[in-house]
Amino acid sequence: DTGVSQNPRHKITKRGQNVTFRCDPISEHNRLYWYRQTLGQGPEFLTYFQNEAQLEKSRLLSDRFSAERPKGSFSTLEIQRTEQGDSAMYLCASSLARLADTDTQYFGPGTRLTVL
Amino acid sequence: DQQVKQNSPSLSVQEGRISILNCDYTNSMFDYFLWYKKYPAEGPTFLISISSIKDKNEDGRFTVFLNKSAKHLSLHIVPSQPGDSAVYFCAASAYGQFYFGTGTSLTVIP
Repeated sequence: DTGVSQNPRHKITKRGQNVTFRCDPISEHNRLYWYRQTLGQGPEFLTYFQNEAQLEKSRLLSDRFSAERPKGSFSTLEIQRTEQGDSAMYLCASSLARLADTDTQYFGPGTRLTVL
Repeated sequence: DQQVKQNSPSLSVQEGRISILNCDYTNSMFDYFLWYKKYPAEGPTFLISISSIKDKNEDGRFTVFLNKSAKHLSLHIVPSQPGDSAVYFCAASAYGQFYFGTGTSLTVIP
């Protein structure tokens, strides 16, 4: 399978616990994006990486959220001290961006987080 | 604030007819627009895109139209098929950030 993969697919945790999600992008893609999607909404941009550099972070990304892409390949998104409002689908996408106007993203299946 | 809006949460169309999904945006700096299709329990799947230098892009049964002066884009699916039933998101990008609409649920009735 050469698509974007995410693990785990589902995560249930108690409020206050830390969680970490992993995203493996399409292998030759240099950009990697994280989004959050709640019911009835479209994906909301959180952050993105160009290779290993984190280039943009949304104001939605509070201090409890941190993302890494240490070797420019897979990425992790960690949420510390989870809150019930963090319950959402977390989507990862990757792209091979050569020119800004052709940055087509390919999404993974998402990780559904439920905070009890 | 919602920079990309899809004002129709749902749309029903007879099989074989044309489906038209609409999207409006507010940010004139957006230079790339995309449509995604999403089935339940899956991530969005890329469908078609258009650069701001074009006003039309066609790929098989799917055509995207861009009206920059009106800040409006639309997706035409013709002929519509039952397998097209899904939620469709439009997205726009500027400076590496992507903004998605809230989606339109399309049902194609056999």
